[in-house]
Amino acid sequence: AQRVTQPEKLLSVFKGAPVELKCNYSYSGSPELFWYVQYSRQRLQLLLRHISRESIKGFTADLNKGETSFHLKKPFAQEEDSAMYYCALGGSDKLIFGTGTRLQVFP
Amino acid sequence: KAGVTQTPRYLIKTRGQQVTLSCSPISGHRSVSWYQQTPGQGLQFLFEYFSETQRNKGNFPGRFSGRQFSNSRSEMNVSTLELGDSALYLCASSSLISGVSYEQYFGPGTRLTVT
Repeated sequence: AQRVTQPEKLLSVFKGAPVELKCNYSYSGSPELFWYVQYSRQRLQLLLRHISRESIKGFTADLNKGETSFHLKKPFAQEEDSAMYYCALGGSDKLIFGTGTRLQVFP
Repeated sequence: KAGVTQTPRYLIKTRGQQVTLSCSPISGHRSVSWYQQTPGQGLQFLFEYFSETQRNKGNFPGRFSGRQFSNSRSEMNVSTLELGDSALYLCASSSLISGVSYEQYFGPGTRLTVT
């Protein structure tokens, strides 16, 4: 079965601190992993996809198949990073989301 | 291009009633997916339509149904509403010609409250 686990409901850091939002997945096939973000009063939008191995807004995420993880990282958090972050797994023609982690960045 | 639009944005219904929500995808997108978002369960996949055919369905009861029209617009219907159906219903569209694209563009959602 497809499953995505985000163990932290809330992550609070100060501006300039490193951030790591955890995501673990369960899937028997070859997954496609994504991070979606929802800023306050905005719609859910795609942040990163593992296939492109890109850095967006300073965020990166590496797929670790051995640990079945796809953690989202940023070396120096900014206040504008405060948002709800969802890890998502694409497979078997479905996109399955984790329950989300709220990131709060304090000044 | 205009983004995904959903109507209505807010809806209040009574238990036992039925409701229809509408979604217009981004122009050129032929795949439309629906999700239910609640504080307790997060985002849960309802179903996905492509070229007027339902290609995939999540684990929701038969009271939840949908359809897609030839212009790719989609509707979802919930019959015999229950209090637990109160949620934000999100629609997302994607552009793959065939297969499934997991890179989805979301609408603002319809907030359904069942009293």
